[in-house]
Amino acid sequence: GAGVSQSPSNKVTEKGKDVELRCDPISGHTALYWYRQSLGQGLEFLIYFQGNSAPDKSGLPSDRFSAERTGGSVSTLTIQRTQQEDSAVYLCASSSTGGAGNTIYFGEGSWLTVV
Amino acid sequence: TQLLEQSPQFLSIQEGENLTVYCNSSSVFSSLQWYRQEPGEGPVLLVTVVTGGEVKKLKRLTFQFGDARKDSSLHITAAQPGDTGLYLCAGYSGYNKLIFGAGTRLAVHP
Repeated sequence: GAGVSQSPSNKVTEKGKDVELRCDPISGHTALYWYRQSLGQGLEFLIYFQGNSAPDKSGLPSDRFSAERTGGSVSTLTIQRTQQEDSAVYLCASSSTGGAGNTIYFGEGSWLTVV
Repeated sequence: TQLLEQSPQFLSIQEGENLTVYCNSSSVFSSLQWYRQEPGEGPVLLVTVVTGGEVKKLKRLTFQFGDARKDSSLHITAAQPGDTGLYLCAGYSGYNKLIFGAGTRLAVHP
């Protein structure tokens, strides 16, 4: 596609359930980022993938959060045993090669509400 | 840990007014970026400043990078309602991790 595509756009889930959020980066982009944005706040870095290198997982807030990137393209962010504090917009972004100097393109986000 | 602090947090002005928002850190950044985010959308890159003291202009927006590369400012001249949005500054912590400030939420009223 022309841009970064995320699904679902909105997800309401019950506390304790697992959720999966999907990201399709721009075709050919080797770098992929996940961020979390709470209501009205800035972006919190979660995880970064670059090609076949080991991902930078330093932003994942707990072991309930995990992400994978299959075939260097599509990525899935999984949140296990969701809590109310997980409610936020989860934004995915990609860039052609990663690193400073490259433009990062964001998707529209997946809005997660945990009730 | 490198942090970016933005001020003010909120700004509500009338059309035609000028404004400046700030992005500050105690750490040196190789470059800083400014993004604008509208409701329901992801942030969109406005500019990247790389050289200490650099000034970049984008129509009515003027971006400046501090001489010591620890801070940046965004000045908007004659603000328009279309400028309304969340303005975010961002910088790289290390080579790959792009970190963001909390943002300045701007509302421009007709």
